[in-house]
Amino acid sequence: GEDVEQSLFLSVREGDSSVINCTYTDSSSTYLYWYKQEPGAGLQLLTYIFSNMDMKQDQRLTVLLNKKDKHLSLRIADTQTGDSAIYFCAGHTGRRALTFGSGTRLQVQP
Amino acid sequence: GAVVSQHPSRVICKSGTSVKIECRSLDFQATTMFWYRQFPKQSLMLMATSNEGSKATYEQGVEKDKFLINHASLTLSTLTVTSAHPEDSSFYICSAEDRGKNTEAFFGQGTRLTVV
Repeated sequence: GEDVEQSLFLSVREGDSSVINCTYTDSSSTYLYWYKQEPGAGLQLLTYIFSNMDMKQDQRLTVLLNKKDKHLSLRIADTQTGDSAIYFCAGHTGRRALTFGSGTRLQVQP
Repeated sequence: GAVVSQHPSRVICKSGTSVKIECRSLDFQATTMFWYRQFPKQSLMLMATSNEGSKATYEQGVEKDKFLINHASLTLSTLTVTSAHPEDSSFYICSAEDRGKNTEAFFGQGTRLTVV
């Protein structure tokens, strides 16, 4: 099955850019996703990228996909304190359920 | 966007009792719903895939007699934790696929279950 790995923690200052990285093993995932989870809450889909794309930009969010290295990243420009949360990357297994990474806790310092 | 409503958001129950969690797709039809479990400070792990009108498919290590899943309609799936024990305390979250769109799964708000 799919293995998805992320670094556990990232701390940035408000206004800086944040880059959260993710590596995965299953190259057959059609879509790759980034979700945000605030404390005690469910998951919020931030963005996704189709596997034949290298980059996708959506306002402050930029997703980069390197299929050769099986590496996915999420860049948040002008990071705000409200961006503090846990960020999960996820990809599909063959049965369409999602396999999630371990999550990266982003801490934004004022 | 599509909305998935999960209820209750929090529940506390006594050991030995059963708890039912509902997952509803409010504005779309979901032939497939997924149930995940998240332990504190851990990632989400798939428990089972719920298919409308048929039996759920459980992941390895998940007891189907303990976690009963019913998906009787295109907008509702339920997860019943039977004879709950403290080790079942966790965050349970469902997701549903809009069968008209294949690009994303929509997640419920999650249910925090505490068994005392």
